[in-house]
Amino acid sequence: GQNIDQPTEMTATEGAIVQINCTYQTSGFNGLFWYQQHAGEAPTFLSYNVLDGLEEKGRFSSFLSRSKGYSYLLLKELQMKDSASYLCAVRDSNYQLIWGAGTKLIIKP
Amino acid sequence: ETGVTQTPRHLVMGMTNKKSLKCEQHLGHNAMYWYKQSAKKPLELMFVYSLEERVENNSVPSRFSPECPNSSHLFLHLHTLQPEDSALYLCASSQGYGDTGELFFGEGSRLTVL
Repeated sequence: GQNIDQPTEMTATEGAIVQINCTYQTSGFNGLFWYQQHAGEAPTFLSYNVLDGLEEKGRFSSFLSRSKGYSYLLLKELQMKDSASYLCAVRDSNYQLIWGAGTKLIIKP
Repeated sequence: ETGVTQTPRHLVMGMTNKKSLKCEQHLGHNAMYWYKQSAKKPLELMFVYSLEERVENNSVPSRFSPECPNSSHLFLHLHTLQPEDSALYLCASSQGYGDTGELFFGEGSRLTVL
């Protein structure tokens, strides 16, 4: 079966750096997405990786290794507003999105 | 207006009620989706419409009935629901079905079935 694994919850300190990992086993690969979802709000698109390597976008970066079935989302200079759930999703060979259960990130002062 | 709007935001219904969830997108997209989001579980795709035609129905019970009258509007009609159907129902749209673009989500309708 197809599967996306990411930690259920993580805690980090304001101003620090945190890395949220995502591993996947899917039928083919056509890209990996990261979304951010604040409590009670819509998930919003953060990043898309289809080739190996690091994509940087401001304080957020996303990394992909297709050979390892692995991605991470790196958040730098953490702010309280970064407290949210982070969802990893992979598009398989049929262009179906396979979702992880999300990682709840708690930022402490 | 935001890109994808869902109403109502909160809904409480008994198991014998009939209600509908509404979604409207203002992005000119051709594909619309209904997802179910339960606590600590992955998003579950329920239905997909592309150019107003249903292209996916992922073994969803018949007590959920979708309707897509045009490319901007999507409904989810609810009838004789069960308590385990309590969840957040998210609507999303994308430029096309199956392309590599991202999904744009509404804020969801929080459903509680008593």
